[in-house]
Amino acid sequence: GEDVEQSLFLSVREGDSSVINCTYTDSSSTYLYWYKQEPGAGLQLLTYIFSNMDMKQDQRLTVLLNKKDKHLSLRIADTQTGDSAIYFCAERITGTASKLTFGTGTRLQVTL
Amino acid sequence: GAVVSQHPSRVICKSGTSVKIECRSLDFQATTMFWYRQFPKQSLMLMATSNEGSKATYEQGVEKDKFLINHASLTLSTLTVTSAHPEDSSFYICSARDLGSTSGANNEQFFGPGTRLTVL
Repeated sequence: GEDVEQSLFLSVREGDSSVINCTYTDSSSTYLYWYKQEPGAGLQLLTYIFSNMDMKQDQRLTVLLNKKDKHLSLRIADTQTGDSAIYFCAERITGTASKLTFGTGTRLQVTL
Repeated sequence: GAVVSQHPSRVICKSGTSVKIECRSLDFQATTMFWYRQFPKQSLMLMATSNEGSKATYEQGVEKDKFLINHASLTLSTLTVTSAHPEDSSFYICSARDLGSTSGANNEQFFGPGTRLTVL
């Protein structure tokens, strides 16, 4: 089955690192994604990782994938107030015509 | 590039009326578009996959006669909520897959800004 879980809320101080976690259950995932959603808006793709990779770094973003534990994380370095949003992880399963299953979303609050 | 628009951005209607939401890929062609529904403080739930020139594929539990999808061209898909009721009030988001994307390895979906539907 497809079930993607995230913690609901994370609060960090500006300048600190944020780590948002995601667990999934389907081992057939090919790609795993991180999206950002600001209030009242659609989703913006931040980064993605292919399932045969362990890590991917893109500027302030670092994605770690532990396929054995089916655990995905997104680390945001030097978190800024503009990073405050809801973050969704999503997985794409092999052979599902690009269908994405989204996590429950984590609300990141950045405080001064 | 890769911009997806939705129209309207916000709509309020009376119970029993039908509402049409448009999803357009502005600078690319999309054979496949996806329609999602998002309740407040919840995740996105895929409703249906819209394929240009063919019938949409609906997810389990989504009534195809209530949520009519038409994908008449490579740049436009419409979702019509028929005989809307207050429980249909939600945020509807579409996404489109770029047919000619050079980053096709990840089949990236580009998301629209969403349409907030309120049924009174």
